[in-house]
Amino acid sequence: DGGITQSPKYLFRKEGQNVTLSCEQNLNHDAMYWYRQDPGQGLRLIYYSQIVNDFQKGDIAEGYSVSREKKESFPLTVTSAQKNPTAFYLCASSWQGLDTEAFFGQGTRLTVV
Amino acid sequence: AQKVTQAQTEISVVEKEDVTLDCVYETRDTTYYLFWYKQPPSGELVFLIRRNSFDEQNEISGRYSWNFQKSTSSFNFTITASQVVDSAVYFCALSENFGNTPLVFGKGTRLSVIA
Repeated sequence: DGGITQSPKYLFRKEGQNVTLSCEQNLNHDAMYWYRQDPGQGLRLIYYSQIVNDFQKGDIAEGYSVSREKKESFPLTVTSAQKNPTAFYLCASSWQGLDTEAFFGQGTRLTVV
Repeated sequence: AQKVTQAQTEISVVEKEDVTLDCVYETRDTTYYLFWYKQPPSGELVFLIRRNSFDEQNEISGRYSWNFQKSTSSFNFTITASQVVDSAVYFCALSENFGNTPLVFGKGTRLSVIA
């Protein structure tokens, strides 16, 4: 089935560690996105990529890094520089062009312990 | 700068009541798209509707209807005869440049439908 797969669903990290969240899509979408969701804050854009080997910072990119080496994959690394990483992370993808919408994965809940 | 405001943080209704979720947006672009998504407890966002800035026609899909008014920069969502399965967080979102910029979301409205 076509869709977006995020893994793992739950992730625990010790303070000072980097962790990488996986996002894979088989929809042949050009663009991919990472959002962070905190209670009462809605979704905020971390990074996005509209083409392979290119990506742009979103509103809250500090403490995060991404790569886009393949069209299907857009992993997000939460570095130790991110001061408050505990949150729900959502990955999305979409075609570029008119009359399209973004499709979302099921999310990864990251907790710092 | 673009902005989406959902002033209602939480709404509770009794089953079979009608409920309207408000969405007000700000943008200087004239070629924007508006969206509504539903987030059930599982966490995944489910697409409900897309509307472009050139089409102000209201839309009805079953028990769902949407009212787009450019004069008031609003894109409100009404659920008729609400059901318990409608309980979720609902997000309104905006994308500029013919929908080619990343979505900007409102903070969401949590709807609880009580049996």
